[in-house]
Amino acid sequence: QVQLEQSGAEVKKPGASVRVSCKASGYIFTQYYLHWLRLAPGQGLEWVGWINPNSGGTSYAQKFHGRVIMTRDTSISTVYMDLSALKSDDTAVYFCARDPHFTFWGQGTQVIVSS
Amino acid sequence: DIQMTQSPSSLSASVGDRVTITCQASEGINHFLNWYQLKPGKAPNLLIYDASNLQRGVPSRFSGTGSGTIFSFTISSLQPEDAATYYCQQNNHLPYTFGPGTKVEMK
Repeated sequence: QVQLEQSGAEVKKPGASVRVSCKASGYIFTQYYLHWLRLAPGQGLEWVGWINPNSGGTSYAQKFHGRVIMTRDTSISTVYMDLSALKSDDTAVYFCARDPHFTFWGQGTQVIVSS
Repeated sequence: DIQMTQSPSSLSASVGDRVTITCQASEGINHFLNWYQLKPGKAPNLLIYDASNLQRGVPSRFSGTGSGTIFSFTISSLQPEDAATYYCQQNNHLPYTFGPGTKVEMK
């Protein structure tokens, strides 16, 4: 069965960077785009961007341009999201989700940004 | 960016009630509209894709209709386990955008 296993919770100071990983299993890793989304406290769902695990190509929401980088390691079926210059309003649960239609989701990774 | 709006923002209904949520896109998105259920502490769950297709394993009391800019989502007979927040989301244009959510509570 398809599973997306994310890395554990992170606590970071403002200005720092965070890396969240998402390990895929149960399907051919290179066949489906993987997306990153987030859910901030009291806010709605927000799409951060996607990565094509086959080519490594990416697309990011404009508000994250220059701060986010998505990469993948096909040898271990894992995608990564690096978010830099963290601010307090980056505090959120970050999810990876698989195409099509965000059918499968990781369990979420809590990222807290606090001084 | 395409703006998604939802109404109502919240509702309270009884077991067995029919519940309908409306979602509007700021420009036409064909049928590229999905509905998700979100419960606290859980990952979102895809219910409806491409406006009207029921995701495998989702109970048939959930349904969706619409195309272009106006969409609706219906729970035909509300159950206690349906208490959640529901989001519409368009995937016709990047960036993919979500509605603000509709919180469904049990009366």
